[in-house]
Amino acid sequence: SQQGEEDPQALSIQEGENATMNCSYKTSINNLQWYRQNSGRGLVHLILIRSNEREKHSGRLRVTLDTSKKSSSLLITASRAADTASYFCATVSYGNNRLAFGKGNQVVVIP
Amino acid sequence: EPEVTQTPSHQVTQMGQEVILRCVPISNHLYFYWYRQILGQKVEFLVSFYNNEISEKSEIFDDQFSVERPDGSNFTLKIRSTKLEDSAMYFCASSEWQGNEKLFFGSGTQLSVL
Repeated sequence: SQQGEEDPQALSIQEGENATMNCSYKTSINNLQWYRQNSGRGLVHLILIRSNEREKHSGRLRVTLDTSKKSSSLLITASRAADTASYFCATVSYGNNRLAFGKGNQVVVIP
Repeated sequence: EPEVTQTPSHQVTQMGQEVILRCVPISNHLYFYWYRQILGQKVEFLVSFYNNEISEKSEIFDDQFSVERPDGSNFTLKIRSTKLEDSAMYFCASSEWQGNEKLFFGSGTQLSVL
């Protein structure tokens, strides 16, 4: 089954720095999405990138997708303390409606 | 902003008991889902639901699980006879379009089976 895997697992940075997370997957995908989860809360959709796209921006977020390497990266620029959360990538394969999540990256932004 | 609401936030039950987890999806959404996350593990897909029927389910979603949309607003997950390994955070989600685009998740129900 399709699975996303993030790397690194935990990241601690100073406010204002950039945070980069990577995600790899194993099979062909329709799209890849990134979600954020604050402690004790639900998952919040951040950005979606389709298999025919290579890069996408949304505010301070930048997502790249390399289908030849089956990998994606999420960059958060100019991080803020409020960005402290877990970040998950999730892939969707063709022909189904399920998201396959990775284990998540814990990001701590130190004020 | 509209949100998916789940109740209860915490549920403790004895092994073998039935539990019903409740969700109110966003009102104009047509696709509904349940996911779960066992502590320290990945978020796992359980089931998707559209047009009053299951559209897809995972291997986890066996005969002990069922879903229902009883009244046009609520979406429930029932576990008939809970097992210890059912202990997890259960997330409900909904989406406006064909399921794999952008899901809105609730805050989850933490189920503890003793």
